[in-house]
Amino acid sequence: QQQVKQSPQSLIVQKGGISIINCAYENTAFDYFPWYQQFPGKGPALLIAIRPDVSEKKEGRFTISFNKSAKQFSLHIMDSQPGDSATYFCAASKTGGGNKLTFGTGTQLKVEL
Amino acid sequence: EPEVTQTPSHQVTQMGQEVILRCVPISNHLYFYWYRQILGQKVEFLVSFYNNEISEKSEIFDDQFSVERPDGSNFTLKIRSTKLEDSAMYFCASSALTEQYFGPGTRLTVT
Repeated sequence: QQQVKQSPQSLIVQKGGISIINCAYENTAFDYFPWYQQFPGKGPALLIAIRPDVSEKKEGRFTISFNKSAKQFSLHIMDSQPGDSATYFCAASKTGGGNKLTFGTGTQLKVEL
Repeated sequence: EPEVTQTPSHQVTQMGQEVILRCVPISNHLYFYWYRQILGQKVEFLVSFYNNEISEKSEIFDDQFSVERPDGSNFTLKIRSTKLEDSAMYFCASSALTEQYFGPGTRLTVT
């Protein structure tokens, strides 16, 4: 019940296109859903996060859509750029300090010119 | 911008040896974490730490692992007797509350 499932495993998008990555969770106690971006050899960097009281959150070209009833959330990257090429991880946890993040398996995004 | 730092960036050790991985969390953060990532796999939680005590630990965090905050700035992960399967990237993270910020990681190679 602790799993977070992420798809697709890899994604190739043309420059200027929309990248969409999906995640599903099982534990209904989760109430914090961040996305992390990781470049090779680097640590995960917090990109954007959402809580279940809203269905969508947008920051620049990055948007999280959240469907509480389906227990799913997704990351949309608008106007994808080659610099967005990285591995993206969704995660879930309970709100509050000290709570562990449960990560998805990651999506390797490549944005081609 | 404040960031989590980790040393060393790469540690090579022989099986059975003890290693200490060091982290300096963001200065006003109160919660500290260790995660690991085996090459090509997802990030896995090891342990969380608050007020000089372990808050939560995973089944990976067995008796060969320990954590310590030896002073006001450092947070360490010790592996007492390393195994080949301990080879991974180890990430330290810290949070003021919910949002966790990760360091660049230490690549541990056990030979």
